[in-house]
Amino acid sequence: SAVISQKPSRDICQRGTSLTIQCQVDSQVTMMFWYRQQPGQSLTLIATANQGSEATYESGFVIDKFPISRPNLTFSTLTVSNMSPEDSSIYLCSAVPIERGAGGYTFGSGTRLTVV
Amino acid sequence: KQEVTQIPAALSVPEGENLVLNCSFTDSAIYNLQWFRQDPGKGLTSLLLIQSSQREQTSGRLNASLDKSSGRSTLYIAASQPGDSATYLCAVLYYGNNRLAFGKGNQVVVIP
Repeated sequence: SAVISQKPSRDICQRGTSLTIQCQVDSQVTMMFWYRQQPGQSLTLIATANQGSEATYESGFVIDKFPISRPNLTFSTLTVSNMSPEDSSIYLCSAVPIERGAGGYTFGSGTRLTVV
Repeated sequence: KQEVTQIPAALSVPEGENLVLNCSFTDSAIYNLQWFRQDPGKGLTSLLLIQSSQREQTSGRLNASLDKSSGRSTLYIAASQPGDSATYLCAVLYYGNNRLAFGKGNQVVVIP
């Protein structure tokens, strides 16, 4: 299975600022996914990042707030913009292998964001 | 709607007991099912992947079964240890979909 390096692992940010989270995969993958996990909750999908095209956002999430880049088949970034305390969550990236379903989905180690 | 349910939401067991975690899904057209472990504040670690054509998968003390007809999967952890304390998530990949459908997790505490 692919291995994903995600950074930063945690950060404490001021209200109104932005944070960019990076995920680097050790092999080429098709789609990458960005999730948010609020305290005590399960994972909520923010968007699907496709190489060479705009990300597809889920209901309730917009590009201005969560811009995503996917410049190649091994790398993606998620920016959390104009942060407020409500954005305090764990953010996770995930990737699906080129051969769909083979080896399962892989997740990064998560970014624990606290907005003060 | 393709829902995934995990029962119980939380459980505590004494060290050495076997753990049984249940996952149910509403649509039998699954491509595969994956069990993950999550430690507090961390990412997800894949434990076992069961393809739709398989009935079970085993890795060490872990065994996961899949029954598509009844829409159920069970994760067994033999001889539990304090280090098994974590949240266990069941995720289903359905045909025609590229996103995982997650349950809310089983939060497990193994008491020394």
